[in-house]
Amino acid sequence: AQSVTQPDIHITVSEGASLELRCNYSYGATPYLFWYVQSPGQGLQLLLKYFSGDTLVQGIKGFEAEFKRSQSSFNLRKPSVHWSDAAEYFCAVGYKAAGNKLTFGGGTRVLVKP
Amino acid sequence: NAGVTQTPKFQVLKTGQSMTLQCAQDMNHNSMYWYRQDPGMGLRLIYYSASEGTTDKGEVPNGYNVSRLNKREFSLRLESAAPSQTSVYFCASSEARSSSYNEQFFGPGTRLTVL
Repeated sequence: AQSVTQPDIHITVSEGASLELRCNYSYGATPYLFWYVQSPGQGLQLLLKYFSGDTLVQGIKGFEAEFKRSQSSFNLRKPSVHWSDAAEYFCAVGYKAAGNKLTFGGGTRVLVKP
Repeated sequence: NAGVTQTPKFQVLKTGQSMTLQCAQDMNHNSMYWYRQDPGMGLRLIYYSASEGTTDKGEVPNGYNVSRLNKREFSLRLESAAPSQTSVYFCASSEARSSSYNEQFFGPGTRLTVL
């Protein structure tokens, strides 16, 4: 069965510093990859997605992610974090053959220090 | 265009009580999904409906039933609530084009506490 791992449960970063969130997946075929963000008490907002093509994808709010097939990874990055980036981030993998279902990682909570 | 809406936003139940969570989408999507979110476990799929008239079990279906009432609405029912069902429930929808994978759009969630 497919699985998604986000190794870091919590990350604390200073405002203005760079941020990288890790995501690894297990699946035999090429997956469809997503990063979602959830602010406290809110629903999920899509940050970016990778379906095919260029392995470096740009998203909203200044985020980007890179798909590395050899490492089965899809890490999320932001060069300079803002206080409003404090939230929980979820990596997810979709499989068309599985009825467009999504498998989510456990999430990484990001705290931003002033 | 409201997207995906869920009612209620909050609910407290006693063990053994029943309730139905409602979800509706106005994007003319074919597929709809119910997830539960628990700390450290991300979102887990409870049930989904690939198209009107069909429903299938997801990863954690025990204790739940669903109804795809029409193309817009997909409800989740807890027949006899248990404390283990305390969670945040999210509904989502997506198109179902066979030619590509389709992004899911999420509702705001329902926070359920079972005492």
